[in-house]
Formats: sequence, structure tokens, C-alpha cells
Amino acid sequence: NAGVTQTPKFQVLKTGQSMTLQCAQDMNHEYMSWYRQDPGMGLRLIHYSVGAGITDQGEVPNGYNVSRSTTEDFPLRLLSAAPSQTSVYFCASRTRDRGSSAFFGQGTRLTVV
Amino acid sequence: AQKITQTQPGMFVQEKEAVTLDCTYDTSDPSYGLFWYKQPSSGEMIFLIYQGSYDQQNATEGRYSLNFQKARKSANLVISASQLGDSAMYFCAMRPTNAGGTSYGKLTFGQGTILTVHP
Repeated sequence: NAGVTQTPKFQVLKTGQSMTLQCAQDMNHEYMSWYRQDPGMGLRLIHYSVGAGITDQGEVPNGYNVSRSTTEDFPLRLLSAAPSQTSVYFCASRTRDRGSSAFFGQGTRLTVV
Repeated sequence: AQKITQTQPGMFVQEKEAVTLDCTYDTSDPSYGLFWYKQPSSGEMIFLIYQGSYDQQNATEGRYSLNFQKARKSANLVISASQLGDSAMYFCAMRPTNAGGTSYGKLTFGQGTILTVHP
């Protein structure tokens, strides 16, 4: 089983460039989320979705856009990359069940120079 | 708003001994779930154990147990018989579990504790 697949695994961007981090899951999970992990700060929620066509902001949404046109895919868009967006990004999915745990992708290490 | 606090940046334990990783939380949600994740040096996030706020018994999963003290708002992870492969970063996390609430989808993490197991 593929689970949650993130692409790319590594990316270097120049300031001002745009890009999309891809996330796909094959478990038919309703809920999907994007987190960023910075040293000493744990994981912080960027955006999340409770189903196709429904998204909401997390703790640190500025500079990022999301959309969810299908259950399987939840791409994260950086419109104009900034050095402050240098981080490791994780996508996660889970069912809507009360005690369900999130399944995480392998992460994308993004460096903005 | 939810908050998770892990006060131990790093912990050391001898192989085969038990270790407790601390986690305290704060929330105004009446129903919530607490999670522990392991992140080895390879970077992936591995789910370890879950505790619901209304569960009567403390959760256990193999060598992992969760010491849940609701009145003290603590959810400490206990790892028994530590192994070298337990060396990793450990995160405590929580989210509301009252469906329909605006925060239902939001998982909040603590800062993490790095555990080092010595042979």
C-alpha cells in the first residue's frame, strides 16, 4: 500500500519563485492536512481539509494556498517563496473517526535561497 | 485554543530500562484525543499510541503506555524495556474529538523530546 505520497522529497527554490508540493493518499481518507516542521517548534498546521471542496486555515497559513478537488489529492501551493518558508513539510491524512490517527507522508525538505 | 507542552528537550536512558516522556496540555474542548508520535532520524512520523479524554483506562500498545491524568492535564508516554531503536524524537499531540466543532480537524503538536538510548 502506498499510503500518503509526497512529491518532491527535496526542493530548492529561489526567493519569489512559486511551486506546488504534491500530496496523494490512496486510503480514501476524508481528512487531509499540511504541516511544517521547524527546529525546536514541533509541527505546525498550515491548512487542512475535511473533504473534497472544503478547506480551512491552520496555525500558519500565510504564504500558502490549498485546494481539494478530489478525495485523493491535496496540493500545497507556495505563490512567492520566501526564505522563512524553508522547512520540512508533511502531508497527513486520516478518517473522520473520533480516535483516528493521522498517517503521514515522508516529508518534503524545502530550501528557499 | 489548544496547547501542548513537552518540557524535556532531551532524555537519556539505559538500554532495557523504562523511561517516561512528559506531556502536559491545555484545551477548552470537552472531548479530545491525545497522541504520541515517534520521528526517527530518517524523518518519518510514526504513530505510537492514542488516548481519548473519556477513556476509562490508560492506553497501552506493546511496550508503550500512556499515563493519562486528566485532572492534572498530563499524558506522559512510558516506554518499557528501552531498545537502541527507540532513539528518536517523540511528539505529543492533541485534537478535539467533538465532531462538528470548528477545530475538529486540527492536530496540535508539542515541541518534541529527543530520546537517546545508551547500550
